[in-house]
Amino acid sequence: ETAVFQTPNYHVTQVGNEVSFNCKQTLGHDTMYWYKQDSKKLLKIMFSYNNKQLIVNETVPRRFSPQSSDKAHLNLRIKSVEPEDSAVYLCASSHSYTEVFFGKGTRLTVV
Amino acid sequence: AQSVTQPDARVTVSEGASLQLRCKYSYSATPYLFWYVQYPRQGLQLLLKYYSGDPVVQGVNSFEAEFSKSNSSFHLQKASVHWSDSAVYFCALSMITNAYKVIFGKGTHLHVLP
Repeated sequence: ETAVFQTPNYHVTQVGNEVSFNCKQTLGHDTMYWYKQDSKKLLKIMFSYNNKQLIVNETVPRRFSPQSSDKAHLNLRIKSVEPEDSAVYLCASSHSYTEVFFGKGTRLTVV
Repeated sequence: AQSVTQPDARVTVSEGASLQLRCKYSYSATPYLFWYVQYPRQGLQLLLKYYSGDPVVQGVNSFEAEFSKSNSSFHLQKASVHWSDSAVYFCALSMITNAYKVIFGKGTHLHVLP
């Protein structure tokens, strides 16, 4: 099956903890993204990588750090989570300029 | 600055009625435009895309969209909606000048009354 796979589906953690989310795509794409979707469904791009190189780094807090081992994997680490980090994190991939394919998302709840 | 505007946050229609969801974009060069749908607890799924050529594009599940350069619009349409079309619909813009930053509108929540 070719798609974008994210783990975990859900994660509940306490303020101040560190979390990591994994993303893998088997579509052979050269670009991967992390989007944050809030409770109102607003989508905001956080990072994009092209062939393992960071291309886009929107204004996100420094506690967020993407990690790419190869062009099929793009993980997201959050050091010391805060309540406003509660959201759905969507991983996606594409070839340059073409349509973006999304994973099912990781829902983070910070208590 | 480049942007995508979906002016209707919520749309409610009856099953069997026709549908139009509006999308306006702001971008000076040639846009690549998309419509996505998001069902509850799911990621976004592509409905249709426009790169060039015929301004009317067909998508999955009988959706279609019409690109208008003069109006900077890319409206989504369906002749007859089904209750299962209830979801959030996003219009998106990919830019030739910045291929790695796809911009999404705020989404339109569609509620189809059975």
